[in-house]
Amino acid sequence: GAGVSQSPSNKVTEKGKDVELRCDPISGHTALYWYRQSLGQGLEFLIYFQGNSAPDKSGLPSDRFSAERTGGSVSTLTIQRTQQEDSAVYLCASRTEEGRNTEAFFGQGTRLTVV
Amino acid sequence: KQEVTQIPAALSVPEGENLVLNCSFTDSAIYNLQWFRQDPGKGLTSLLLIQSSQREQTSGRLNASLDKSSGRSTLYIAASQPGDSATYLCAVEYGNKLVFGAGTILRVKS
Repeated sequence: GAGVSQSPSNKVTEKGKDVELRCDPISGHTALYWYRQSLGQGLEFLIYFQGNSAPDKSGLPSDRFSAERTGGSVSTLTIQRTQQEDSAVYLCASRTEEGRNTEAFFGQGTRLTVV
Repeated sequence: KQEVTQIPAALSVPEGENLVLNCSFTDSAIYNLQWFRQDPGKGLTSLLLIQSSQREQTSGRLNASLDKSSGRSTLYIAASQPGDSATYLCAVEYGNKLVFGAGTILRVKS
């Protein structure tokens, strides 16, 4: 497709379970971001991937959160032992990295609800 | 600390009015600034990107300005329409991340 694709669009999980969220970036985009948007809050940076470089994980809130990007394309964000405070919309974005002055394109997000 | 602030938090205007949304940032060492809109329950749609060396960008009824030295950007919307109703987000790029403001909720009344 032409845009950033995220799946699932909605996920309800029980507290303590693990979840995986998927992001398919725009083809050819080397940079990929994960953000979290909690109810009434701004967008919170989680992690950044750029090509084959080591990811910037400085925004991950705890060691229960991890992300990987296979083959420089699809990315998976994993949350282990989910807690109710993990409930939020998780947004993925991609962009090219030509001189950094390129637009970031966001997916529609995955709405995660931990019950 | 790199912080981005948007004023006002919410704005309601009648259809046809011109309006200005404000964004300020504390660290002027930016790569660029990007304006987005977000419709309820949706992702973000990119509106305009201004490089750090630029002063403004225009797209249709939208005009964004950037004053890096004072740490300010404005988004001007001309002849507002009900379809412009959304949350408008300002994002500043520093290093490996975009730092977002909390947004301005715009409602254009018909």
